[in-house]
Amino acid sequence: QLQLQESGPGLVTSSENMSLTCTVTGDSVSIRGYFWGWVRQPPGKGLEWIASMFHTGTTFYNPSLKSRVTIAEDTSKNQFSLKVTSVTATDTAVYYCARHKGGELRAFDLWGQGTMVIVS
Amino acid sequence: SYELTQPPSVSVSPGQTATITCSGDELGDKYVDWYQQKPGQSPVLVIYKDSERPSGIPERFSGSNSGDTATLTIRGTRAVDEADYYCQAWATTLVFGGGTRLTVL
Repeated sequence: QLQLQESGPGLVTSSENMSLTCTVTGDSVSIRGYFWGWVRQPPGKGLEWIASMFHTGTTFYNPSLKSRVTIAEDTSKNQFSLKVTSVTATDTAVYYCARHKGGELRAFDLWGQGTMVIVS
Repeated sequence: SYELTQPPSVSVSPGQTATITCSGDELGDKYVDWYQQKPGQSPVLVIYKDSERPSGIPERFSGSNSGDTATLTIRGTRAVDEADYYCQAWATTLVFGGGTRLTVL
């Protein structure tokens, strides 16, 4: 059964950079052949798409965040990551990694449990 | 930038039909997906490509999309359906609606 697990710093100091990792596990699983993405949710607020990528390295970014975020893959580890630079309090959120359904850049059909990041 | 507008809240009595709308410019020309999120949990895809139900999603969930409005319909609403619901579409960028809190009174 495919599972996604986020890992992150938990607490980050304002103006610093942070990195999040999503590890994909399960029988015969590979990140190849699918789009993968990151979505965040500030406390008490709605969902915000951050970025998505295909295993070939093709990337897509939310224009409002594009200047500060980078999504990347490590197929050898079945992982993909998100780097956010110069964080501020507005980056405080639960960060989810997720898989786009059916190899298309559309619906997310599998989600991780999320990791909370607090910027102080 | 493209925006999707949802009502902040919808209330429904158990057993009745809940209707949650999502509005956007020429939304009917795009595919819309819907997610259910319960407190403290990750979102769950309940409708994709306007009206398709993923495996394991009850038949009482259905969707439609035409003109400027997409609609998520829950027939025979149960207490377990109480949650936040988000619509999503791709419009040169991936966009989520602001979410609708469904209360089953």
